[in-house]
Amino acid sequence: GNSVTQMEGPVTLSEEAFLTINCTYTATGYPSLFWYVQYPGEGLQLLLKATKADDKGSNKGFEATYRKETTSFHLEKGSVQVSDSAVYFCALSDTGGGNKLTFGTGTQLKVEL
Amino acid sequence: DSGVTQTPKHLITATGQRVTLRCSPRSGDLSVYWYQQSLDQGLQFLIQYYNGEERAKGNILERFSAQQFPDLHSELNLSSLELGDSALYFCASSVGLAGGPRETQYFGPGTRLLVL
Repeated sequence: GNSVTQMEGPVTLSEEAFLTINCTYTATGYPSLFWYVQYPGEGLQLLLKATKADDKGSNKGFEATYRKETTSFHLEKGSVQVSDSAVYFCALSDTGGGNKLTFGTGTQLKVEL
Repeated sequence: DSGVTQTPKHLITATGQRVTLRCSPRSGDLSVYWYQQSLDQGLQFLIQYYNGEERAKGNILERFSAQQFPDLHSELNLSSLELGDSALYFCASSVGLAGGPRETQYFGPGTRLLVL
């Protein structure tokens, strides 16, 4: 079945540091890939997505490229802010008829001044 | 604000009891999904409805059931509750099925269930 593997957290960075959160996946067919963010006490918000190989999703300074050859969708940001502190989830969508999402375990990011 | 609403926000109940969680999708969305977020299992897909019909089923216990009504709101019923059912339950919605796996799911704020 489908699966998503994310790097373990928590990740602690200083403000303005470069961020990478690794995500690799196993899936049949051609899933779409997503990054969702969960701020403390809130629900999940879509951060970005990519629907086919080599697509780059981007939003709020975050980027991720759908790499089919390495089955990866790593999240990057050039300069993080304290307000980026949250839990980040990588997910893929099912291609078997329904559209269920399979999530990674989440990576907690803490950005300090 | 995603446009997906869930009630109640918090729910505290006892083992053996039954509760109902309610979700209203974004205006115009036909698909509704339920997910469970727990510390030990992470985020897991439970069930999907599309325009009133069950579309896909995930790791949903037999004690749990759901339905989607003609006005497209959905309810998740949890019965014979156990301590291990304590979790955050999310509802999400998407436009429909035509977009397939490319569709974005929009999540509600969740219902936090505590079973004592």
